[in-house]
Amino acid sequence: EVQLVESGGGLVQPGRSLRLSCAASGFNFEDYAMHWVRQIPGKGLEWISSISWNGGISDYAASVKGRFTISRDNAKNSLFLQMNSLRGDDMALYYCATDNGITVAGRLDYWGQGTLVTVSS
Amino acid sequence: DIQMTQSPSFLSASVGDRVTITCRASQGIDIYLTWYQQKPGEAPKLLMYAASTLRSGVPSRFSGSGSGTDFTLTISSLQPEDLATYYCQQSFSPPFTFGPGTKVDIK
Repeated sequence: EVQLVESGGGLVQPGRSLRLSCAASGFNFEDYAMHWVRQIPGKGLEWISSISWNGGISDYAASVKGRFTISRDNAKNSLFLQMNSLRGDDMALYYCATDNGITVAGRLDYWGQGTLVTVSS
Repeated sequence: DIQMTQSPSFLSASVGDRVTITCRASQGIDIYLTWYQQKPGEAPKLLMYAASTLRSGVPSRFSGSGSGTDFTLTISSLQPEDLATYYCQQSFSPPFTFGPGTKVDIK
């Protein structure tokens, strides 16, 4: 069974940093590109970043480009999102999700339950 | 960036009704269109991909159609467990934008 468990969320002051993690199990992690998507509670979904199976290709939404960095450690079956210079509009529930193959196709097959990031002074 | 719109934003229908949700892309995306279902308090789940391919295990009352810029998601006979918000998403090119969602309520 595919399992994705996000962690690392919490309360952080504006301008500070946070690193999210996503622990994957139940599938061969290195065979899949991965994504981060966020959702302000009660609002819609926003795709924010993707990474290919080996980390060689990554992409970002304009809203986070230059502040967020996606990475992965296939040996540890883990996906990461380094978030710097956090702002109030970054406050959201952050989901990790699998793509359907090694390259980034943009189809989000499996999702975790999310980790909540609160940005407030 | 490709913008996605959906209509309606909210609909309320009775059990057994046929329900149709429309999704439009700001430019042609071929059939690179995915539908997700998000039930209250849960993470989204992939429902349909390539505009009309039902994910394994998804009930056959769900169907999709369209290509280019206009797409539809149809529930042929609405069931109580279909209470959810439905999102379309384009996978034609990054950023992989989502539509704003359609909340489906059961009368």
